[in-house]
Amino acid sequence: KAGVTQTPRYLIKTRGQQVTLSCSPISGHRSVSWYQQTPGQGLQFLFEYFSETQRNKGNFPGRFSGRQFSNSRSEMNVSTLELGDSALYLCASSSGRGPGEKLFFGSGTQLSVL
Amino acid sequence: GQQLNQSPQSMFIQEGEDVSMNCTSSSIFNTWLWYKQEPGEGPVLLIALYKAGELTSNGRLTAQFGITRKDSFLNISASIPSDVGIYFCAALYPNTGNQFYFGTGTSLTVIP
Repeated sequence: KAGVTQTPRYLIKTRGQQVTLSCSPISGHRSVSWYQQTPGQGLQFLFEYFSETQRNKGNFPGRFSGRQFSNSRSEMNVSTLELGDSALYLCASSSGRGPGEKLFFGSGTQLSVL
Repeated sequence: GQQLNQSPQSMFIQEGEDVSMNCTSSSIFNTWLWYKQEPGEGPVLLIALYKAGELTSNGRLTAQFGITRKDSFLNISASIPSDVGIYFCAALYPNTGNQFYFGTGTSLTVIP
């Protein structure tokens, strides 16, 4: 069974630009969560999508948004990039059948904002 | 958000030694997960715990869900060089769906 696939692996952008990251969950999984990982703040929850609906949202500004498609693939968008948005963005999938299920992570997208 | 205090922050041990790390909080959690992350990769799930007092093993790894539901520990026995990495705990606060909170990580270095 293929794992969680995130693309691209690396991105370099400049301040003010916008970026879209993609995540394909494990086959059969319907929940996709996004996390931001930085050396200073660790892993921070961004949001979770289930059946194309945002089910939970963390404390990030509105510049961070996401969506989920009918095949459970998810995209995350960051608009008006700031230097502080440089981070590893991780996607995690789970079956979504109940709270507290195991999260399986992709390898992440390393975003650098210059 | 909820705070998970993970300790120690880093460990340098000799191959063959046992390792112990833990996560504590002032809040009660429903689920504890333990992950290992290697450079350039995403976290890999090691052990999942769902009930207070639960003790679960995965090979040389053993983890426990604290009785008070506010803490968890991970032990690694007879460490080997490939155990090197950063270990994270993650916990689920009640009624937050699938929103996990993560510890700050324990960096493990194993000296051959």
